[in-house]
Amino acid sequence: DAKTTQPPSMDCAEGRAANLPCNHSTISGNEYVYWYRQIHSQGPQYIIHGLKNNETNEMASLIITEDRKSSTLILPHATLRDTAVYYCIVNLQQGAQKLVFGQGTRLTINP
Amino acid sequence: EAGVAQSPRYKIIEKRQSVAFWCNPISGHATLYWYQQILGQGPKLLIQFQNNGVVDDSQLPKDRFSAERLKGVDSTLKIQPAKLEDSAVYLCASSSWTSWGVQVGDEQYFGPGTRLTVT
Repeated sequence: DAKTTQPPSMDCAEGRAANLPCNHSTISGNEYVYWYRQIHSQGPQYIIHGLKNNETNEMASLIITEDRKSSTLILPHATLRDTAVYYCIVNLQQGAQKLVFGQGTRLTINP
Repeated sequence: EAGVAQSPRYKIIEKRQSVAFWCNPISGHATLYWYQQILGQGPKLLIQFQNNGVVDDSQLPKDRFSAERLKGVDSTLKIQPAKLEDSAVYLCASSSWTSWGVQVGDEQYFGPGTRLTVT
């Protein structure tokens, strides 16, 4: 079973920041938080991952709370192409790399 | 770099028929995964290979599903015989993860998937 809880859907206006929350209250100390997204009719795409520090790359920022029980993925300037299902996954980076996907959040970017 | 290739992209068969899907991972990736994604759900791992060995096939319905990766590169997933509930998208992914190495950036790269419809 997935170890994360996400809202089923969210809307965001084009050009604004999209903030996607994820709850992972049972995360263990050596588990990472991964985010993937799946655009319609495509396979999932890796976005970002982190352990306890905030992370940023060219796609997004990941903010993890100090107690590591929740995190937020931030798309700073959302575009229509960011419309997708976003999956938050906890995983052992050094483990068997098994991704257990939940239902994800369906993010719709509106013009 | 070339991505993960899958074929066919679409397949329609009748129940009790057999079907096979093919996957070519990113060059040099030791680990290959097959996922099943039923409409409206997240992908579910069916089987994981490291080179030509099976790492995890605990969720593979072995009475009808089989998979192989004989030379540690390409892989095929077969369903025989198919049932209506097998209608789904079958995704292949690869990563540079290995059980012996400390990996950096070992995210999974997914192919476009094969959409199977069983009638």
